[in-house]
Amino acid sequence: QLQLQESGPGLVKPSETLSLNCTVSGGSISTNTYYWTWIRQPPGKGLEWIGTIYFTGTTYYNPSLKSRVGISVDTSKNQFYLKLSSVTAADRAVYYCARLPIAASGPGLEFWGQGTLVTVSS
Amino acid sequence: DIQMTQSPSSLSASVGDRVTITCRASQSISNYLLWYQQKPGKAPKLLIYAASTLQSGVPSRFSGSGSGTHFTLTISSLQPEDFATYYCQQSYAIPRIAFGQGTRLEIK
Repeated sequence: QLQLQESGPGLVKPSETLSLNCTVSGGSISTNTYYWTWIRQPPGKGLEWIGTIYFTGTTYYNPSLKSRVGISVDTSKNQFYLKLSSVTAADRAVYYCARLPIAASGPGLEFWGQGTLVTVSS
Repeated sequence: DIQMTQSPSSLSASVGDRVTITCRASQSISNYLLWYQQKPGKAPKLLIYAASTLQSGVPSRFSGSGSGTHFTLTISSLQPEDFATYYCQQSYAIPRIAFGQGTRLEIK
């Protein structure tokens, strides 16, 4: 069974960079049938797509965050990563990693991490 | 960018009721529409993909329909475990996805 697990600091200072890891187990990140994606959810609010990466390193970002976001992958570790720079209180959210099928008709986001809450505070 | 709009934002209903949630896309997305259920403190759970295909293990009281820009999620007879927040998501522009703002289904 595929599992994803987010990890990283739960507290980040304003103007600094948020960094999270997503470890994939039970399957290879180097698959040509899936992307790997980051999604966030501010407390009490809806889901926001942050960005997506293919195992080759090709990335796609939400235009609203593009200037501050970087997503990368390490296939040798079966991990992918999120960096969000210049954070503010508005970036406080639960951050999820998930697997996204390449086929638009495919069964969507079947597998998610449990989510990690990141708070921005000095 | 494709925008997804759900209605209503919240809904009160009773066990046994039939409820329908609507999702509209800002442009045609064919049938590339998914529905998720989210309970507090948990990651969303996939219910339906390709607008009307039930994910394995999801009860048959859930159904989806629509194409183009207008989609619906129907729960035929609400059960206590169905009270949650529901989100639609477009996969037309994969890998650039987008969610609706959510519909909170509450017990009346």
